[in-house]
Amino acid sequence: AQTVTQSQPEMSVQEAETVTLSCTYDTSESDYYLFWYKQPPSRQMILVIRQEAYKQQNATENRFSVNFQKAAKSFSLKISDSQLGDAAMYFCAYRSPNDYKLSFGAGTTVTVRA
Amino acid sequence: EPEVTQTPSHQVTQMGQEVILRCVPISNHLYFYWYRQILGQKVEFLVSFYNNEISEKSEIFDDQFSVERPDGSNFTLKIRSTKLEDSAMYFCASLATNEQFFGPGTRLTVL
Repeated sequence: AQTVTQSQPEMSVQEAETVTLSCTYDTSESDYYLFWYKQPPSRQMILVIRQEAYKQQNATENRFSVNFQKAAKSFSLKISDSQLGDAAMYFCAYRSPNDYKLSFGAGTTVTVRA
Repeated sequence: EPEVTQTPSHQVTQMGQEVILRCVPISNHLYFYWYRQILGQKVEFLVSFYNNEISEKSEIFDDQFSVERPDGSNFTLKIRSTKLEDSAMYFCASLATNEQFFGPGTRLTVL
């Protein structure tokens, strides 16, 4: 299974500010999919954003954007204009094109300060 | 909007007992998954299911575990003889195109 590494166990951000979560992964494949999932205290897994490796353009979903650096095998998530509702655990995940299971990182807990 | 549902939301059981966790995937999805998350740890893949059979399973998915799609809608995970270390959140997911939709999870507590 691919290894997904999230090196920041916790991040804190002031409301309305920006926070960036890091994720690196290990793969020998050239085509794959990367995801960020949000897990609030309810523990529901919510898809935040998705990136296909063959696309050079970084994915964006409203206040959420990624910085995908394929050569560096890096996939960071930027949350802009942070809101109290953004407080959650965020998981980076990898999916091979040849199977559909997800490999998750250890997660980063984001705290938003009012 | 269609969603994946799971029942029960919380299951408490005694060690050695059998439990069945139930999931109703989104109706037109064809691939189904179970994942496990021990409290405070990452989400781990257990098993994938396609065309009425297991397509892949992890090393966690040993002989104590089984999955079944008994009818056209339900997808179940059975743990035959629960151990303390089976206490975790269990997530069901179903796949559409390139996105997996997760259910709300079942919290399993083994005493």
